[in-house]
Amino acid sequence: EVQVVQSGAEVKNPGESLKISCQGSGDTFSNYWIGWVRQMPGKGLEWMGLFYFSNSATPYSPSFQGQVSISGDKSISTAYLQWSSLKASDSAMYYCAATRDGNFRWDYWGQGTLVSVSS
Amino acid sequence: QSALTQPASVSGSPGQSITISCTGTSSDVGRYNYVSWYQQHPGKAPKVIIYDVNIRPSGVSDRFSGSKSGNTASLTISGLLPEDEADYYCDSFTGSMYVFGTGTKVTVL
Repeated sequence: EVQVVQSGAEVKNPGESLKISCQGSGDTFSNYWIGWVRQMPGKGLEWMGLFYFSNSATPYSPSFQGQVSISGDKSISTAYLQWSSLKASDSAMYYCAATRDGNFRWDYWGQGTLVSVSS
Repeated sequence: QSALTQPASVSGSPGQSITISCTGTSSDVGRYNYVSWYQQHPGKAPKVIIYDVNIRPSGVSDRFSGSKSGNTASLTISGLLPEDEADYYCDSFTGSMYVFGTGTKVTVL
């Protein structure tokens, strides 16, 4: 059974850096895409960007291009979402989701990582 | 890319049918048959309930059905049950990325 597990909640100060993770298991993830989704408090879902383990392709949504960095390590089936300088407005729940290449739906979801940024 | 447009809320009584619309453009919903629908209960991760416009994943109730016409996709929930009360999001492939709808809160009266 495919599972996706995210790293734990984070509390940070504005200006700090942060890297959160999303690890897959239960299949060979070299042919999987990982997507990152932001959900601000009381708001809807927003795609941030994707990561493809096979060739490290990383398309971003225009709204998030240059604001975050997405990467991954195929050897441990783990994708990352990174900020270099957090803002209070980055406070949100972040979900990762996984899909096999060739599928166009997101079958497997992580439990979410809550990021709180406050001074 | 702008979010796909959904009604903010839809309500119905138990046993009734409701339909949620999802309007995009000729660059997303209208161009690709890769529209999915996700159900999200409070405090939970989203769950796919329809993909490729009208296909139900294994284990999803046949009370959920999807369709598409032009730039608008639709999700119909028939025989509404209390547990259907949740937020629903459409999602479309755009060629290199995806875009969600604005989300619809379904209330079972």
